Amino acid sequence: QSVLTQPPSASGTPGQRVTISCSGSSSNIGSNLIYWYQQLPGTAPKLLIYTNNQRPSGVPDRFSGSKSGTSASLAISGLRSEDEAEYYCAVWDGSLSGVVFGGGTKLTVL
Amino acid sequence: QVQLQESGPGLVKPSETLSLTCTVSGDSISNYYWSWIRQPPGKGLEWIGHIYYSGSTNYNPSFKSRVTISVDTSKHEFSLKLSSVTAADTAVYYCARGGLTPFLSPRFDYWGQGTLVTVSS
Repeated sequence: QSVLTQPPSASGTPGQRVTISCSGSSSNIGSNLIYWYQQLPGTAPKLLIYTNNQRPSGVPDRFSGSKSGTSASLAISGLRSEDEAEYYCAVWDGSLSGVVFGGGTKLTVL
Repeated sequence: QVQLQESGPGLVKPSETLSLTCTVSGDSISNYYWSWIRQPPGKGLEWIGHIYYSGSTNYNPSFKSRVTISVDTSKHEFSLKLSSVTAADTAVYYCARGGLTPFLSPRFDYWGQGTLVTVSS
């Protein structure tokens, strides 16, 4: 059971906007910065969003992140077939003194 | 360009110690947190622990009694030892560069390609 809760799956059609949620607590999301990762099949995860809502260079602005209280969301607009992947949220947990990941959300582009 | 490369045995016997090394190239190993993360087949990511270049460590409580992470700055590498392994420790093990402070350490901007370690007799 992950400390951070994500829906196991999400889906959308090309061009749609989808959001993936990540729910935590005051010791993690509520007091620290959230990060999002994209993992394509058979590859290492890739940093998608850092410090809640910043994109590394090379990440399209179709990807955006937000945080409110003890929850965070990743939004993907203008969905494309290449966005089909597993998405993970991650954050520092002050109570555990460690990094925690969400369980992952598998995004399917229909 | 920073590159990380995991190395170590791909097969470990139950009850033995899993040992992996991550070699860092393209940048100094100083000033960052360096993590080990694993992913069992078909499952999600699990943070094992990290080390600062100075040697300071934090571990996932789930592993705390079995794990040791060390760093050798002169060799530009850091290592993972996980003792008393069982089949449940079979996973792809990744090394990754984190942020500059513990609170920023979930910022994994560079990853190794991952190495599959199978625990089996």
